[in-house]
Amino acid sequence: DQQVKQNSPSLSVQEGRISILNCDYTNSMFDYFLWYKKYPAEGPTFLISISSIKDKNEDGRFTVFLNKSAKHLSLHIVPSQPGDSAVYFCAASALNDYKLSFGAGTTVTVRA
Amino acid sequence: GAGVSQSPSNKVTEKGKDVELRCDPISGHTALYWYRQSLGQGLEFLIYFQGNSAPDKSGLPSDRFSAERTGGSVSTLTIQRTQQEDSAVYLCASSKGAGELFFGEGSRLTVL
Repeated sequence: DQQVKQNSPSLSVQEGRISILNCDYTNSMFDYFLWYKKYPAEGPTFLISISSIKDKNEDGRFTVFLNKSAKHLSLHIVPSQPGDSAVYFCAASALNDYKLSFGAGTTVTVRA
Repeated sequence: GAGVSQSPSNKVTEKGKDVELRCDPISGHTALYWYRQSLGQGLEFLIYFQGNSAPDKSGLPSDRFSAERTGGSVSTLTIQRTQQEDSAVYLCASSKGAGELFFGEGSRLTVL
């Protein structure tokens, strides 16, 4: 039962343009959301997070938006850079549950 | 080292053999997680240790899988009588608590 869904397995974007990655979740108990980035042969690394009390969190070129009523979040990367080419995982956890549920990932390719 | 360390990085085994995968978490992190990523799939939760509490084993796919954490630090994931469907990258992560997980580089298991 996939509680976190990333329906786009891949995304190709031109350098300098915006990358928008989407994530949907089904568990209404989720209250903390994270994005992880993964390069080949490396473990995922934390990118940005958002709590359910907020609807936006920004960190440099990365912004995460949360729409609780739609159970949807998105990650915006602007401007996209070649080094952003990686797999991006959306993850979520419920209050007092340390376990993260991950989506299947979206592979982003930034074209020069 | 400063990060999560996993060994071996690669393991090739024959169907029916047992394998052990090791994880050294970040010093001071009380929580330790095992996830796996099969080809083309997202991260699948396996097991979670938190301090001296009973582990959350809800993600273990069968009774061939077990894990222990000795002294609140190093963890070993054991897969008995391996099957080809066990082939995956097994990722260990640690954290201080709820929220950001720090992942190791993973152990790639190939069952022939």
